Amino acid sequence: AQSVTQLDSQVPVFEEAPVELRCNYSSSVSVYLFWYVQYPNQGLQLLLKYLSGSTLVESINGFEAEFNKSQTSFHLRKPSVHISDTAEYFCAVSRENTDKLIFGTGTRLQVFP
Amino acid sequence: KAGVTQTPRYLIKTRGQQVTLSCSPISGHRSVSWYQQTPGQGLQFLFEYFSETQRNKGNFPGRFSGRQFSNSRSEMNVSTLELGDSALYLCASTRDRNTEAFFGQGTRLTVV
Repeated sequence: AQSVTQLDSQVPVFEEAPVELRCNYSSSVSVYLFWYVQYPNQGLQLLLKYLSGSTLVESINGFEAEFNKSQTSFHLRKPSVHISDTAEYFCAVSRENTDKLIFGTGTRLQVFP
Repeated sequence: KAGVTQTPRYLIKTRGQQVTLSCSPISGHRSVSWYQQTPGQGLQFLFEYFSETQRNKGNFPGRFSGRQFSNSRSEMNVSTLELGDSALYLCASTRDRNTEAFFGQGTRLTVV
């Protein structure tokens, strides 16, 4: 069975500081990995994805994540956060032949001025 | 291109009633999945539909059911509502298998 662990339920950080949100997964088969962001009273928005190819994936708003197969991790990083990055971030995994996503419990990123 | 549309956005129902939620996927997307989000359990998978067939089902009681129509629109139904069914219900659509899922805004169901 697959599972996703997000070790930090909350991450407080000051504006312009770097941040890393951790995600580890367990699976006996090849997986596809995703980071989604959720703003209050909204649905989920895809931030970035790893399907195949380069293990370092980037989003248009400065986030990046690196797929590390040996450590079964897909940590999300941003070198300099903004107030507007305050939101809940979810790591998710799926496997071949299904669109079913298994989500982590989420990390609330709180950016302070 | 319109996104995933879920209706209604908010719903208040009484225990014992039933409810139907609707989801219109992005045009051209044939796969629709449903998720329940609660503060206690987080995001949990309900069902996955592709070309009107249920391809996958989560670990929910039989009171939760769904279907998909020939135009890929999907509905989910919850019968005999319980207080614990209060949640944000999210629908997601994908174009092909193992591509990214696009989510709707969700339907906030409150059972009183």
